[in-house]
Amino acid sequence: GESVGLHLPTLSVQEGDNSIINCAYSNSASDYFIWYKQESGKGPQFIIDIRSNMDKRQGQRVTVLLNKTVKHLSLQIAATQPGDSAVYFCAEGFKAGTALIFGKGTTLSVSS
Amino acid sequence: NAGVTQTPKFQVLKTGQSMTLQCAQDMNHEYMSWYRQDPGMGLRLIHYSVGAGITDQGEVPNGYNVSRSTTEDFPLRLLSAAPSQTSVYFCASSPPGDYGYTFGSGTRLTVV
Repeated sequence: GESVGLHLPTLSVQEGDNSIINCAYSNSASDYFIWYKQESGKGPQFIIDIRSNMDKRQGQRVTVLLNKTVKHLSLQIAATQPGDSAVYFCAEGFKAGTALIFGKGTTLSVSS
Repeated sequence: NAGVTQTPKFQVLKTGQSMTLQCAQDMNHEYMSWYRQDPGMGLRLIHYSVGAGITDQGEVPNGYNVSRSTTEDFPLRLLSAAPSQTSVYFCASSPPGDYGYTFGSGTRLTVV
C-alpha cells in the first residue's frame, strides 16, 4: 500500500491499493480524534473517531491508529476506490462539545 | 430532518459592507461552531457556542461577531468585510458530550 510520513498535502494511489494518511496533532491533552472526508463543494463528513484511551479502531474499510507517544494519528483505507478521492482531515478535541481543531488536510487521488 | 442549513451558498461583498451568514440546525444540538476554510490552511475555528446565550472565540475571531439567542440558530456577522475574509465558511453542530460535529454545506464568500 501507499503511505506517507508526517503530513503531506497529496497522496496518489491506484484503485485497490491500501492508503495510509498521516496526521500529527498538537495538544497532548486532546482526548478525542476524528477523521473527516471532504468532497469537492461539500462540507466535511465524519468517517471514524478514536478516544485517547485506545490505540486502534476499525470501521468499514477504514482503520484509525493513535500513537500518543509521538502525537501521531493515521487513517488506513483498505482496497481504495475512486469514490474515496477527497480531502481527508484529522481533527482533535480535548473537551466534549468544545470545538475541534483541524489539521491541514491530505488530498487523496485514486486512479483506476 | 434537514441537519445543518447554511444560507446563502454564495455571496459577493464589497469591502466595508456588512452581512450575516445564517446557520440553523434542527437536531436540537447544544454545541455549534463556525469555521473558515482557505486553500492550504485547513479549517480554522472562528467562534463557537456550547448553548443558547454562551459563545466563545476560536483561533481567528477578529472581524467576526456571533450571538446565540436560540438553540437552533448561530449567525455569523461580518461588520466591515475585508478581502482577507474571502473564504468558504462552514457551520457545524453536535449534541452535548459528543465530539462528532455535523457540518453544513458551506457559504462561499468573496470580498472585492
